[in-house]
Amino acid sequence: QKEVEQNSGPLSVPEGAIASLNCTYSDRGSQSFFWYRQYSGKSPELIMFIYSNGDKEDGRFTAQLNKASQYVSLLIRDSQPSDSATYLCAVRYYGQNFVFGPGTRLSVLP
Amino acid sequence: SAVISQKPSRDICQRGTSLTIQCQVDSQVTMMFWYRQQPGQSLTLIATANQGSEATYESGFVIDKFPISRPNLTFSTLTVSNMSPEDSSIYLCSVYLAGGEDNEQFFGPGTRLTVL
Repeated sequence: QKEVEQNSGPLSVPEGAIASLNCTYSDRGSQSFFWYRQYSGKSPELIMFIYSNGDKEDGRFTAQLNKASQYVSLLIRDSQPSDSATYLCAVRYYGQNFVFGPGTRLSVLP
Repeated sequence: SAVISQKPSRDICQRGTSLTIQCQVDSQVTMMFWYRQQPGQSLTLIATANQGSEATYESGFVIDKFPISRPNLTFSTLTVSNMSPEDSSIYLCSVYLAGGEDNEQFFGPGTRLTVL
């Protein structure tokens, strides 16, 4: 049983701070890692993906992957109230379906 | 990315009835999926919609309850049959698109179903 775990939150950070979202996974053979943002009442939106160990930056977002420790994280710099949403971590072993975590609810306080 | 539309966007239905949800993609895709997301919960995969063959269902979901059609590479339907209040949920269609190293998954806007 492949599992993906996240803290459900809510994670509250002040505007302008760095928000750090964490995700751990059970399948050591997992190869692809994705972060989705889901606003309340909306469908998930892909914001980042990472395949290799290390950091990947895209604007204010940085994904970090550590396969040895089986965790992937998402950092949001200069957090804005518009970043308030639920962030879903998804993991995939090549050729198989995505496995989604339960999501972490982020609240950025003005 | 792909443009994915779903109809209806929401519906309120009576217990015991059935609802068919449509999913349309603006490009041909091999892999289409149907998910359910119950209030406050994460995504649960119902089935993979296969073009030209029967859908592949995940544990806990059966064809009699959730029949799926996939007549071509741009369209699929999910029917929620003999509904009960426990079926109240958001139903999401999704597709895989080839990314740089692996497929990336994109979601439709969802159908919010309330069963009374």
